[in-house]
Amino acid sequence: GNSVTQMEGPVTLSEEAFLTINCTYTATGYPSLFWYVQYPGEGLQLLLKATKADDKGSNKGFEATYRKETTSFHLEKGSVQVSDSAVYFCALRADSGYSTLTFGKGTMLLVSP
Amino acid sequence: GAVVSQHPSWVICKSGTSVKIECRSLDFQATTMFWYRQFPKQSLMLMATSNEGSKATYEQGVEKDKFLINHASLTLSTLTVTSAHPEDSSFYICSARDSRGIWVFAEAFFGQGTRLTVV
Repeated sequence: GNSVTQMEGPVTLSEEAFLTINCTYTATGYPSLFWYVQYPGEGLQLLLKATKADDKGSNKGFEATYRKETTSFHLEKGSVQVSDSAVYFCALRADSGYSTLTFGKGTMLLVSP
Repeated sequence: GAVVSQHPSWVICKSGTSVKIECRSLDFQATTMFWYRQFPKQSLMLMATSNEGSKATYEQGVEKDKFLINHASLTLSTLTVTSAHPEDSSFYICSARDSRGIWVFAEAFFGQGTRLTVV
């Protein structure tokens, strides 16, 4: 079956530090990959996505590259801000039309001034 | 972007009572909505897929009679936890996809979640 593994948190960083949150997946076929973010008190929001190998998703300074050879989709940001403090979920969707999302456990990011 | 409103945000109930959680798509129609459950430090686990006008499809291991799902309109799905017990305490999140456009590329939008505590 499909599964997503992401690093455990919390990840604690100072403002302007470099961020990496690791995500690896197991899936049959060619899944689409996503990063969702959940800010305190809010629902999950799509942060970025990639639908095929070597695609790079990017948004709000965050990037992730779909690496089929390593089955990874690591999230990176060059300089984090306090406002980036949230829980980040890596997810996959097997591209069979009506399939649902499989999530990782989520990684809490705490950024201090 | 599209908004999914989930209500209530948190609820405390006594053991043996029932709790209803609503999920509304505010500015789009959602033929299909999904209900997830999250245990502490665990992944979001899909509980069921809710289709407007038909019976929900439950994932293996999810009790249909305990978690009643109704999707009466294109903008509203409800999850009722019947005869709740402390082990049902969890974080429940709904999501919905816009019915328009190409399904496979449709983005899922999420409610803010409901924290249920059964005492």
